Amino acid sequence: EVQLVESGGGLVKPGGSLRLSCAASGFTFSSFTMNWVRQAPGKGLEWVSSISSGSSSIYYADSVKGRFTISRDNAKNSLYLQMNSLRAEDTAVYYCARDYYSFDYWGQGTLVTVSS
Amino acid sequence: DVVMTQSPLSLPVTLGQPASISCRSSQSLVHGDGNTYLNWFQQRPGLSPRRLIYKVSNRDSGVPDRFSGSGSGTDFTLKISRVEAEDVGVYYCMQGTHWPRAFGQGTRLEIK
Repeated sequence: EVQLVESGGGLVKPGGSLRLSCAASGFTFSSFTMNWVRQAPGKGLEWVSSISSGSSSIYYADSVKGRFTISRDNAKNSLYLQMNSLRAEDTAVYYCARDYYSFDYWGQGTLVTVSS
Repeated sequence: DVVMTQSPLSLPVTLGQPASISCRSSQSLVHGDGNTYLNWFQQRPGLSPRRLIYKVSNRDSGVPDRFSGSGSGTDFTLKISRVEAEDVGVYYCMQGTHWPRAFGQGTRLEIK
C-alpha cells in the first residue's frame, strides 16, 4: 500500500525557516517524480515544486522560487522541502504527492503557520 | 503560464441527478508526446485531495464509473452521472502538460 507521511510543520515567525519531510513507503520511491502542493486555509490547491526521480530536474512555482528548496534521499525513501524567508502567505497545509501522470497519491498534509 | 478556469464555482445538485463541471485552459494541453495531461481531483471535507481522472478520461482505480472525463485541446468536462451523498466536496482540474503545473479554482459540489 502506497503511503506518504509528511512531518515538520509548525508555527514559525515571518522570515524564519522550516524543513518539511515526506516519508514514502509501499512503492519504489526512486522511480517516481515527487511533488509538493499546498493549500492555504479555506483556499484552493497550489502546486509548489517538483523533483524528478534522480533529482536532475527540479521546478518551482514563482511564488517560492529562491526561498524554497526541494530535495530527496532515495536511500531513505524521503522527500524534503526546505523553506526559508517564510512569509504570512506561505501559511498552508503542505502535501507531498507522488507523480504518475500527475499526482496519483497524496499524503495527509502538514500545517505550516507563519505568524508573529 | 497556463491558467485553468473552472465553472461553475458552486454546484448544488439533487441526489440522483447528473452534474457537470467545465474546465478551460488558456492554452492547448496537448503535450509534445501526443498526450493531454488534464486531471481531475476530488477533495472531500477535511480530507486530502484524491485523483479521479488522469489524461482527460482515464479513471483511477477505485473511482466509481459514474465519474467520467472528456474533452480535448483547451476544453474539458467532468461528469457525474448520478450524484450521491459521498460526492460532496470540491473538485479541481489540473494541467500536467506545461510548467508550472496549474490547478483550477475549484468547484464546490453540494446537495440541494
